[in-house]
Amino acid sequence: DAGVIQSPRHEVTEMGQEVTLRCKPISGHNSLFWYRQTMMRGLELLIYFNNNVPIDDSGMPEDRFSAKMPNASFSTLKIQPSEPRDSAVYFCASSHSGTNTDTQYFGPGTRLTVL
Amino acid sequence: GENVEQHPSTLSVQEGDSAVIKCTYSDSASNYFPWYKQELGKRPQLIIDIRSNVGEKKDQRIAVTLNKTAKHFSLHITETQPEDSAVYFCAAQGRDSSYKLIFGSGTRLLVRP
Repeated sequence: DAGVIQSPRHEVTEMGQEVTLRCKPISGHNSLFWYRQTMMRGLELLIYFNNNVPIDDSGMPEDRFSAKMPNASFSTLKIQPSEPRDSAVYFCASSHSGTNTDTQYFGPGTRLTVL
Repeated sequence: GENVEQHPSTLSVQEGDSAVIKCTYSDSASNYFPWYKQELGKRPQLIIDIRSNVGEKKDQRIAVTLNKTAKHFSLHITETQPEDSAVYFCAAQGRDSSYKLIFGSGTRLLVRP
C-alpha cells in the first residue's frame, strides 16, 4: 500500500496567486481529512469528507479556502487568493471510518510558503 | 464540542529514564484516543491507541492508560532512547457520527544521551 499521497510536497508562491493542493487517500478508505499545521496554532482540522461528501467544514478559515472530493480517490484543497499567513504545512489524512479500525493515516504533507 | 488539553508542552529526560505525557478531554462520549509521534519535518504517525472499553494498553516500551471517570489519558515511554525525541500528540474522537479527531497541542520530548 502506497499510503496517503500528497502533491506537491513543497509550494512557493506569491501573495494573490491561486494554490491547489492534492491528495490521494489510501484505497478503500472512506473518510478524508485536511489539516493545517503551524507553530502558533498547532494541528488544525480544516474540513473532512465521508464517502466523498463534506461533513464538517467549520475549520476552514475563510472563503478563500475551498475543498472538493470528486471521487473516492482524489481530493483538492484550494486557496484563492493566497496570503502570507496561509504559509503552513498542510496534511491530508484518510481512514476507514465506521468500523473499529478508524485510525487516521497522514500523508507526507505539503509545505506551503506564500511570499 | 470536544476539547483536548495536553501537558507538558516540553519534556526533557535523560536517556533510560521514563517519560509521561498527560491529556484531558471534555466530552464524556469520546471513545477513541490515539497517540501520534511527529519527527522533525515528517508526518504524524500513530504509535498507540486505546478505546474506552480498555483501561490500559502496552506495546513494548510504550503504554497508554485511560481513566474514563476523570476523563484523562496518559502516554508512558519507558527506557527512553534518543530516537524517541519528537513531538507527541494526543487526540480524542467522539462516539457520534463525526469521525474527526480533536488533537492536543503537542509535547516536545527531548531525550538527552
